Amino acid sequence: DTAVSQTPKYLVTQMGNDKSIKCEQNLGHDTMYWYKQDSKKFLKIMFSYNNKELIINETVPNRFSPKSPDKAHLNLHINSLELGDSAVYFCASSQDGTSGNNEQFFGPGTRLTVL
Amino acid sequence: GQSLEQPSEVTAVEGAIVQINCTYQTSGFYGLSWYQQHDGGAPTFLSYNALDGLEETGRFSSFLSRSDSYGYLLLQELQMKDSASYFCAVYNQAGTALIFGKGTTLSVSS
Repeated sequence: DTAVSQTPKYLVTQMGNDKSIKCEQNLGHDTMYWYKQDSKKFLKIMFSYNNKELIINETVPNRFSPKSPDKAHLNLHINSLELGDSAVYFCASSQDGTSGNNEQFFGPGTRLTVL
Repeated sequence: GQSLEQPSEVTAVEGAIVQINCTYQTSGFYGLSWYQQHDGGAPTFLSYNALDGLEETGRFSSFLSRSDSYGYLLLQELQMKDSASYFCAVYNQAGTALIFGKGTTLSVSS
């Protein structure tokens, strides 16, 4: 059974377009995250949601808008895509959003290429 | 803010032991985590240390020294499948998100 799933796995699009990435977790976790991994493999937190409420927005351009319709889903919408948005985007979830031995489970990633 | 330093690359041969070090600077410390990521794959959790000392899980062990702001991941009896990137991570000051190091690429050869 898939724990954290993302769609699509690959996304190729033109500059200026708007696109969405969907994420779902079936682990019953309360907290979900979006990370961006660049070409140098640097993994950076973008957003964190706990029980549908935004906890963290880490200096991400407001072209990126997360939406959590329920605690099992956290989608990422990106407006006016730019070349620099090309990266792998990972969704993750954890039991709760607090510190501690709070293992995060990552989805398979969405490789976004902006042309 | 939080920052972590780890070597960018490590190479070793099958059967060997390798240690990947991580030093960190944090405003508030909750613990040190390690994640493994194979090429094209997702990061997967390996270990978490909140207290000083060594935690062992099979061939992998993780160590923490809070006074030195230092930890390491020890991989024993290396196998080809251990070739991957390894990330250390600490929580942000609020304790609500992980901040990852830049990763260490481990290459295991036969």
